[in-house]
Amino acid sequence: VPLVESGGGLIQPGGSLRLSCSASGFTFSNYDMNWVRQAPGKGLDWVSYIDSSSGNIYYADSVKGRFTISRDNAKNSLYLQMNSLRAEDTAVYYCARDGGSGWSLDYWGQGTLVSVSS
Amino acid sequence: QSALTQPASMSGSPGQSITISCTGTSSDVGGYNYVSWYQQHPGKAPKFMIFEVSNRPSGVSNRFSGSKSGNTASLTISGLQAEDEADYYCSSYTNTNTLRVFGGGTKLTVL
Repeated sequence: VPLVESGGGLIQPGGSLRLSCSASGFTFSNYDMNWVRQAPGKGLDWVSYIDSSSGNIYYADSVKGRFTISRDNAKNSLYLQMNSLRAEDTAVYYCARDGGSGWSLDYWGQGTLVSVSS
Repeated sequence: QSALTQPASMSGSPGQSITISCTGTSSDVGGYNYVSWYQQHPGKAPKFMIFEVSNRPSGVSNRFSGSKSGNTASLTISGLQAEDEADYYCSSYTNTNTLRVFGGGTKLTVL
């Protein structure tokens, strides 16, 4: 599996957490990356996108102003800084590679669980 | 509420064919040939199945095919097999500020 997420855990509402995604087996700096989340028993929910050079960044309206996506190409790593966490942010967070073909996500990590609860 | 509309559940018998629909708008599905499909088994990460409406990545069975008409995309699975039982999600590029949208997912049961 070329993508491995870490950093999830139990956090109180209003708290902060930083997720990491470590990439291997491909030239990370050549690919745009995404975070996608899935609440328990629910569907996939796109969170954020960053292009290969960090020049273009997008967020879902639900996380805009609270989450920050970033990457370090020298470390083959993708990050998601999550602030002001809410109960509704509880989900498995996946990092996913943009395959370069029609805005599709060709590789996904196994996910890391974020639980926001008091 | 998801941006793209899929049936919540579908079922079929082994050997049959089923078609899962994914309805959007002219801002996403109807406006671009950037629809992709993903398969997800319980407790697993999604798997990439179709890109650009109808193209299969290397390694994906040719029993899976995609198409689009207007604002509705479709995933057809022919010759249903037990291992096809999973959740299926469509996704599309969108020209709104959200960039990418998913469907709510379809739970496929192989009877």
